[in-house]
Amino acid sequence: GAVVSQHPSRVICKSGTSVKIECRSLDFQATTMFWYRQFPKQSLMLMATSNEGSKATYEQGVEKDKFLINHASLTLSTLTVTSAHPEDSSFYICSARSSGRSSYNEQFFGPGTRLTVL
Amino acid sequence: QKEVEQDPGPLSVPEGAIVSLNCTYSNSAFQYFMWYRQYSRKGPELLMYTYSSGNKEDGRFTAQVDKSSKYISLFIRDSQPSDSATYLCAMKSSNTGKLIFGQGTTLQVKP
Repeated sequence: GAVVSQHPSRVICKSGTSVKIECRSLDFQATTMFWYRQFPKQSLMLMATSNEGSKATYEQGVEKDKFLINHASLTLSTLTVTSAHPEDSSFYICSARSSGRSSYNEQFFGPGTRLTVL
Repeated sequence: QKEVEQDPGPLSVPEGAIVSLNCTYSNSAFQYFMWYRQYSRKGPELLMYTYSSGNKEDGRFTAQVDKSSKYISLFIRDSQPSDSATYLCAMKSSNTGKLIFGQGTTLQVKP
């Protein structure tokens, strides 16, 4: 159980185009979803946190108008990279968490989406 | 100074060796300490988590947390080539619930 999928797994696009990445929790309801970015040989950096039905909370330095996040249902969140540029090329990973009874609520990670902007 | 420091390696060991991976941190509010394994071009998967100080064992893996020194470790016994991956430590406080990751250590276990 606790499977998170991402689509697409890989995308190559031209500079200036917008790209949408989907994150789905397949067998549980995700009240909270997280979006991370990982550059080569670097750590995962949290971009934003989204709770179902409310606006996402962005980390400092992350442009909310460039990285649009929608969490319209308990099983789906989307990240849209608007007007992508080569510096946006990275590995984007989502994770999902359900509301649990314990104080430790595990995040389950998706397999990631590799974005290459030409 | 980063909140979580982790030597990126790479670390290369022969099959069967004991591997020691470590992280240090600066935020004393961290209460949950996790180790994730990430294969190339994949998402991270949780290996172990520990609450507060102490040891936790799961098969060939042992996690240790020393809050007084702000130092955590992951030991892998009888390492296998299939253990070759990047190992990320992560921490969070109950205040924010956000995971803060280390840079990750790349491990290669040679047959």
